Amino acid sequence: TQLLEQSPQFLSIQEGENLTVYCNSSSVFSSLQWYRQEPGEGPVLLVTVVTGGEVKKLKRLTFQFGDARKDSSLHITAAQPGDTGLYLCAGEGRDSGAGSYQLTFGKGTKLSVIP
Amino acid sequence: DAGVTQSPTHLIKTRGQHVTLRCSPISGHKSVSWYQQVLGQGPQFIFQYYEKEERGRGNFPDRFSARQFPNYSSELNVNALLLGDSALYLCASSPRPLQETQYFGPGTRLLVL
Repeated sequence: TQLLEQSPQFLSIQEGENLTVYCNSSSVFSSLQWYRQEPGEGPVLLVTVVTGGEVKKLKRLTFQFGDARKDSSLHITAAQPGDTGLYLCAGEGRDSGAGSYQLTFGKGTKLSVIP
Repeated sequence: DAGVTQSPTHLIKTRGQHVTLRCSPISGHKSVSWYQQVLGQGPQFIFQYYEKEERGRGNFPDRFSARQFPNYSSELNVNALLLGDSALYLCASSPRPLQETQYFGPGTRLLVL
């Protein structure tokens, strides 16, 4: 079974600070996706990274896919209260246990940005 | 354009009962996936359907079943509910089943007492 470990699980920072969230696995994924989820809503896709070593930027958010396509990081510069939410990474690939092609999610990082 | 819609939004059941959750995909999307998100955890894959056929199944017991209709909407059924089935059930749609962006609905919050 594929597993994705996210760290930290909780993060509370002051507005303007920088932060990095990590997503690690022993499995190789064909792609890795980052989502943001707010209470009472479904996850919303932020970015998909496909190529090992790929870096994508979305305004103040920088996403990186590891060279071996097993890990990823999300870096937020100058965090704002509007960045508050649950950040989820998800790897796409075939689960050897279930035998199906699926998205495997990490447990998420709950970010609170204090004004 | 309407996004993925799910009904009901909230549901309370007792142990042993069964439940049916419904999902309407984005227009033009033929693939629907179901996920279970327990409080404090990330979503866990349950099923994927494409063109009315099951294309993938996660590690869930046979009490969980699903189907997809000719209009690509989908139902998730759970029989003999357990307390541990309490969760947010998410539906996601995509044009095709693999390597496509999945768009999630708001979910159905199920509480089993």
